[in-house]
Amino acid sequence: QVQLQESGPGLVKPSGTLSLTCAVSGGSISSSNWWSWVRQPPGKGLEWIGEIYHSGSTNYNPSLKSRVTISVDKSKNQFSLKLSSVTAADTAVYYCARVGAEGNAFDIWGQGTMVTVSS
Amino acid sequence: EIVLTQSPATLSLSPGERATLSCRASQSVSSYLAWYQQKPGQAPRLLIYDASNRATGIPARFSGSGSGTDFTLTISSLEPEDFAVYYCQQRSNWRYTFGQGTKLEIK
Repeated sequence: QVQLQESGPGLVKPSGTLSLTCAVSGGSISSSNWWSWVRQPPGKGLEWIGEIYHSGSTNYNPSLKSRVTISVDKSKNQFSLKLSSVTAADTAVYYCARVGAEGNAFDIWGQGTMVTVSS
Repeated sequence: EIVLTQSPATLSLSPGERATLSCRASQSVSSYLAWYQQKPGQAPRLLIYDASNRATGIPARFSGSGSGTDFTLTISSLEPEDFAVYYCQQRSNWRYTFGQGTKLEIK
């Protein structure tokens, strides 16, 4: 079955750019699914960041839109997140997730990767 | 932005008891409401989608109901592994939001 795995630096300096990749295995990123990023600050709730379709179409959380770029690499079966101008408030566990066929919920999640913003 | 408000914040129950968790939306989300379970150190797990449909592999003791602005997740008889944090989530206008969570703890 489909599995997701996040990867990227665990430490990013303030004002820098956070970059993460989500590798999709057991299935194709070109399936009829959207692919999302969700984050969770330590001890807090979940926040949706944005999503992408294999065509390259994207939707972003308006509160983060000015700093977020999500892209897809079909040749590598993966999608990526870039978040610019980071501050300590961006410290969180970052999850990649698949939007299910019905289009309204996240049915498969990666294990998550902790990213700390600190000098 | 549609705000989801979950209640109670914490629910203390014993194994075998029935749990009822609530999620209220600031405006109608039709039936586009999902529920997740999250245990410490783990990713969320989808339980219910479109208000009342159990996700693959989810036990029958989990059920969802509601439409519009008021939704309920019911766990008919709590098992020890059900004690966790539960989140509701909606999708509308090409964006998603989550509730703040309900912690289900052992009494």
